[in-house]
Amino acid sequence: AQSVTQLGSHVSVSEGALVLLRCNYSSSVPPYLFWYVQYPNQGLQLLLKYTSAATLVKGINGFEAEFKKSETSFHLTKPSAHMSDAAEYFCAVGKGGSSASKIIFGSGTRLSIRP
Amino acid sequence: NAGVTQTPKFQVLKTGQSMTLQCAQDMNHNSMYWYRQDPGMGLRLIYYSASEGTTDKGEVPNGYNVSRLNKREFSLRLESAAPSQTSVYFCASRGDGPATNEKLFFGSGTQLSVL
Repeated sequence: AQSVTQLGSHVSVSEGALVLLRCNYSSSVPPYLFWYVQYPNQGLQLLLKYTSAATLVKGINGFEAEFKKSETSFHLTKPSAHMSDAAEYFCAVGKGGSSASKIIFGSGTRLSIRP
Repeated sequence: NAGVTQTPKFQVLKTGQSMTLQCAQDMNHNSMYWYRQDPGMGLRLIYYSASEGTTDKGEVPNGYNVSRLNKREFSLRLESAAPSQTSVYFCASRGDGPATNEKLFFGSGTQLSVL
């Protein structure tokens, strides 16, 4: 069974500071991992995905995430936070390939940026 | 570019009433999903469908039924609505293969209140 745990329902950082949002996963097969972002009153947008290629994945808006199998983690980082990064972030796990799979989301982390 | 279309956008029901949420995608995707989003709980998978005629339970299927009518359409039915089903419901379809980044394409959501 697949599952995702996001540590910290709310993270607050100062503008220009490092952003670190934590995600740990559980999967019985090699996973596909995703980070999605949801801005207020909007739908979800894909930030980046891991699909068993490079372990360091670069996404949009300067975000990146590193797949660490030994730690079953896929934490999201950004070197310097902008006010526009304030949003809710969701980690998700699924299986890849041509067949459909459950895609399970974490409970989300709300990111606030202090001026 | 319609993408994923959900109807209705808003609905208020009384306890015990039934209703069907409609979802259609025009991207020729095989996989479709229904999620509910509740504060602090992220997106929880209700049902998903790998292809026309197949459906599988997700994390929270109780109280719901689905129909994959054809490749385009995937409906969600509440037979006897309960206040615990008050939520925002999202339909999604999943791109197949690297060209679409295997990401989920979301509808704009249905805000459902059960009184």
